[in-house]
Amino acid sequence: GAGVSQSPRYKVAKRGQDVALRCDPISGHVSLFWYQQALGQGPEFLTYFQNEAQLDKSGLPSDRFFAERPEGSVSTLKIQRTQQEDSAVYLCASSSHLRGITNEKLFFGSGTQLSVL
Amino acid sequence: QKEVEQDPGPLSVPEGAIVSLNCTYSNSAFQYFMWYRQYSRKGPELLMYTYSSGNKEDGRFTAQVDKSSKYISLFIRDSQPSDSATYLCAMSAYAGGTSYGKLTFGQGTILTVHP
Repeated sequence: GAGVSQSPRYKVAKRGQDVALRCDPISGHVSLFWYQQALGQGPEFLTYFQNEAQLDKSGLPSDRFFAERPEGSVSTLKIQRTQQEDSAVYLCASSSHLRGITNEKLFFGSGTQLSVL
Repeated sequence: QKEVEQDPGPLSVPEGAIVSLNCTYSNSAFQYFMWYRQYSRKGPELLMYTYSSGNKEDGRFTAQVDKSSKYISLFIRDSQPSDSATYLCAMSAYAGGTSYGKLTFGQGTILTVHP
């Protein structure tokens, strides 16, 4: 596609519900990232995939957060038993560069705004 | 204390003004420095990317890095209303000869350029 696509654009969940957020990266991009952006803050790293391999999940805030990219393209971020503090914009980014090559450029999607009531 | 500090502003300037945006950082491992622009309800968009200390210019934008002071700046010349956005500094570390998109962002500075 022309850019990184994320869906849904907005998601409202009741506390305790499970949610799934989808990311379609730019075709052919091997690297995929999830970031969380709280209101008035900069994005914070959650996790990184190179193709289907999750190489870094150090930013996931708790074991309620789970991400997958089974076929090395589309990725899903799942949040179980949502809490109010999970309310944020979840950004997906992709890059054509492999780990070990500098000057990578991340292309961000517009994000999914999650509101937990 | 956060690894990257950025004054959130907001900053309001008249059209044509020179804008100066700044970040400080504490982690000496940061070697790659970026500036992103984020419009409302959009994802960040890369503006500038630098590695070494010194200046890098691209059109109306100049990025400056001072590793000895752990301080980076972005200058916008002849600012336009279309430059109104949130500007985010971002950094990444260089470890073992590799670098990937694990970025640490500043809080972002909200800029408004009024006609």
